[in-house]
Amino acid sequence: EIVMTQSPATLSVSPGERATLSCRASQSVSSNLAWYQQKPGQAPRLLIYGTSTRATGIPARFSGSGSGTEFTLTISSLQSEDIAVYYCQQYNNWPPYTFGQGTRLEIK
Amino acid sequence: QVQLVQSGAEVKKPGASMKVSCEASGYTFTAYYMHWVRQAPGQGLEWMGWINPNSGVTNYAQNFQGRVTMTRDTSIATAYMELSNLRSDDTAVYYCARGPPLSRVARGAFDIWGQGTMVTVSS
Repeated sequence: EIVMTQSPATLSVSPGERATLSCRASQSVSSNLAWYQQKPGQAPRLLIYGTSTRATGIPARFSGSGSGTEFTLTISSLQSEDIAVYYCQQYNNWPPYTFGQGTRLEIK
Repeated sequence: QVQLVQSGAEVKKPGASMKVSCEASGYTFTAYYMHWVRQAPGQGLEWMGWINPNSGVTNYAQNFQGRVTMTRDTSIATAYMELSNLRSDDTAVYYCARGPPLSRVARGAFDIWGQGTMVTVSS
């Protein structure tokens, strides 16, 4: 099973500043990596798939990068509506599909 | 629009079974994998398995082997997830989520999610 590790667990960023979230896989997942955003009381929403492709309707301030075992989600200019928990997920080697434990993004 | 609508919250006793439904609309139900994911209170996301709605073929996470059954009714574009022999640690929100097209051999992200179904297991 591929273990996904996210860091940091909690990230505090001022509005308008850049937020950088990291995700590491225990072995290569190629580019088969997705990011999800989950707001309180809501279902997860797909942000990024294939490491760097934004899903339909996702603002351009969200970007993904990386390959192999190291991946990054960047929010270029944090907005108040971006406060959420973010999860990475690998879908390269399954079963099982595995998620990271999440990074909680807060407003500083 | 493309959406998945799940059945309502349930309260179950330990040892009982639960069955959650997930009705798809706005796309061809039989053309995309359907996954099930759960989230215990305050915890992360745990993948449970998928079903190929066209063939009915399933693939379950090892953690749920022997307790989970995923089925579908193509006539009403609905997927079902049944979990048996419930324990208190099965208390969670259960989500259905659309996977990639069948042509991608299940390698793809989950682009549409149901609203979630809260299942509480308590004596």
